[in-house]
Amino acid sequence: QLQLQESGPRLVKPSETLSLTCTVSGGSISSSSHYWGWVRQPPGKGLEWIGSLFFTGTSYYNTSLKSRVTLSVDTSRDQFSLRLSSVTAADTAVYYCARETGSATSDFYFDLWGQGFLVTVSS
Amino acid sequence: SYELTQAPSVSVSPGQTARITCSGDALPKRYAYWYQQKSGQAPVLVIYEDNKRPSGIPERFSGSTSGTMATLTISGAQVEDEGGYFCYSTDNAGNHGVFGGGTKLTVL
Repeated sequence: QLQLQESGPRLVKPSETLSLTCTVSGGSISSSSHYWGWVRQPPGKGLEWIGSLFFTGTSYYNTSLKSRVTLSVDTSRDQFSLRLSSVTAADTAVYYCARETGSATSDFYFDLWGQGFLVTVSS
Repeated sequence: SYELTQAPSVSVSPGQTARITCSGDALPKRYAYWYQQKSGQAPVLVIYEDNKRPSGIPERFSGSTSGTMATLTISGAQVEDEGGYFCYSTDNAGNHGVFGGGTKLTVL
């Protein structure tokens, strides 16, 4: 049973960089049938797609966050990571990593999620 | 940037049919997906590719699309179906995901 687990600092200071890692267990991140993505949810608010990447490193970003976001993958460790720079209080949220399933003839969509990881931006 | 629009809330009595809608200009070309989220939990996929139900999702959940609108229907809603429901799709190019603002379903 494939599982995803987020990890990283729970508290980040304003203007610094938020860094999270998602560890994939029970399967390989090097799958041609899956993308790997990040979604966040500010307290009491809706879901926001941050970005997605393929195990080769191909990535797509939310245009509103693109200037601050970097996604990377480490296939040797079955991990993928999120870096969000110049954070403010507005970046306080539960961050989810998730697997995306799809095909060349269809869309990719999130079908398996991590449990979520609350990151607070505060001095 | 592309947006999906949902009503903030829907309320039904137990046993009634709940309909949650999602509108977006690219929906005629792109699939709609629906996620259920209960308090403090990660989202769960309940409908994919407009109208397909993942294994383990009750048959009372169904999806449909018409033009620029996608609809999640819960036939005979139960108290346990209360929670947030989010539609998801992509822009015309299929490269950028977007979630609707979410609809809070109350069953009482």
